[in-house]
Amino acid sequence: EAQVTQNPRYLITVTGKKLTVTCSQNMNHEYMSWYRQDPGLGLRQIYYSMNVEVTDKGDVPEGYKVSRKEKRNFPLILESPSPNQTSLYFCASRSQGPTGELFFGEGSRLTVL
Amino acid sequence: QKEVEQNSGPLSVPEGAIASLNCTYSDRVSQSFFWYRQYSGKSPELIMSIYSNGDKEDGRFTAQLNKASQYVSLLIRDSQPSDSATYLCAVNSWETSGSRLTFGEGTQLTVNP
Repeated sequence: EAQVTQNPRYLITVTGKKLTVTCSQNMNHEYMSWYRQDPGLGLRQIYYSMNVEVTDKGDVPEGYKVSRKEKRNFPLILESPSPNQTSLYFCASRSQGPTGELFFGEGSRLTVL
Repeated sequence: QKEVEQNSGPLSVPEGAIASLNCTYSDRVSQSFFWYRQYSGKSPELIMSIYSNGDKEDGRFTAQLNKASQYVSLLIRDSQPSDSATYLCAVNSWETSGSRLTFGEGTQLTVNP
């Protein structure tokens, strides 16, 4: 089954404690992206990757890091989480080109105390 | 001006009515357009894509695109309570670094039985 898998789905952590949200896709997609979704602000792109070893900042990259060492994986790293990073996070992937459908993971709800 | 704007919600329609969702975009080189449906707490799912001017129909859903007016809409005929969700408009544009997908903030639709 084609899917994008994120873990953990739910996480409560404390300020400053480093955490990683993993993302893996099994569709051989070149493009992967991370979004955060907050009430009234819609989906905002954090980082994206056009292919292995190629990553670029999205609209709200501050406080986040990513890496793309393998095509299927695109982890999101919060080196020192803060309460304003409490949000619902989605990983997504698609094939290259303008018509590629974006497939989303199920989301990771993060709370930073 | 936001790159992708959707009609402000929430939108409420009676069961069986036509729901009309609108989206305008600012980038004239935008090439492809998508409508996603998102149930509360769930990930977005693609319901329609449209690439050329005119109408595209799929069951009870019709997407309409007018590139000259930079406008894309989604009509839902015979609305059902199960259509109650947030609808996200997404616009794909080509940039030097590749294609970029930008989301609107979403319109919340409620279909009342």
